[in-house]
Amino acid sequence: DTAVSQTPKYLVTQMGNDKSIKCEQNLGHDTMYWYKQDSKKFLKIMFSYNNKELIINETVPNRFSPKSPDKAHLNLHINSLELGDSAVYFCASSQLGGGSNTEAFFGQGTRLTVV
Amino acid sequence: KQEVTQIPAALSVPEGENLVLNCSFTDSAIYNLQWFRQDPGKGLTSLLLIQSSQREQTSGRLNASLDKSSGRSTLYIAASQPGDSATYLCAFTGGGNKLTFGTGTQLKVEL
Repeated sequence: DTAVSQTPKYLVTQMGNDKSIKCEQNLGHDTMYWYKQDSKKFLKIMFSYNNKELIINETVPNRFSPKSPDKAHLNLHINSLELGDSAVYFCASSQLGGGSNTEAFFGQGTRLTVV
Repeated sequence: KQEVTQIPAALSVPEGENLVLNCSFTDSAIYNLQWFRQDPGKGLTSLLLIQSSQREQTSGRLNASLDKSSGRSTLYIAASQPGDSATYLCAFTGGGNKLTFGTGTQLKVEL
């Protein structure tokens, strides 16, 4: 029973195309995130949504547009894909607030390759 | 701005050794610290979470400590096994539950 699931796992597309990655969590968390892992394996946050509201936007090009239809889903749409967008994108979720409930859980990642 | 450094970047040990992975951070205003492992081509698996008011957490052969005053966390792995081979990442939770990740330690445990 997957806690955080994202699709697709692999995505190969041409420059200039528009693509979406979907994410769903069944943990009952109120906050979801998108992280990007670059070619050097460094992970950095892109966006965070709490109860469908954007709370973190880390200087990401506006070609990237997250959408959260409800607190269990956070999708990432990317317009006009560029070669530099090639990376692994991870979805995650956690519960805002103090204590152990802030533990974050990650999906398996989507490896995006732009050719 | 929080900066997180992990040392060493890579480590190769024979099976059975006890080992310590280090993580240092610049801003002590953290909420929690979390250790993850990442297997090649896979996602992140949460190993341990230490709340900012705690000093350590243990799970099986793993023990993680947190010393906010010195800006350090360590992950201790006892009696290492080949199945422990992976990249280990520490991450600090800041405002909005944003995780700031370290640079990672790539561990290889050899037979």
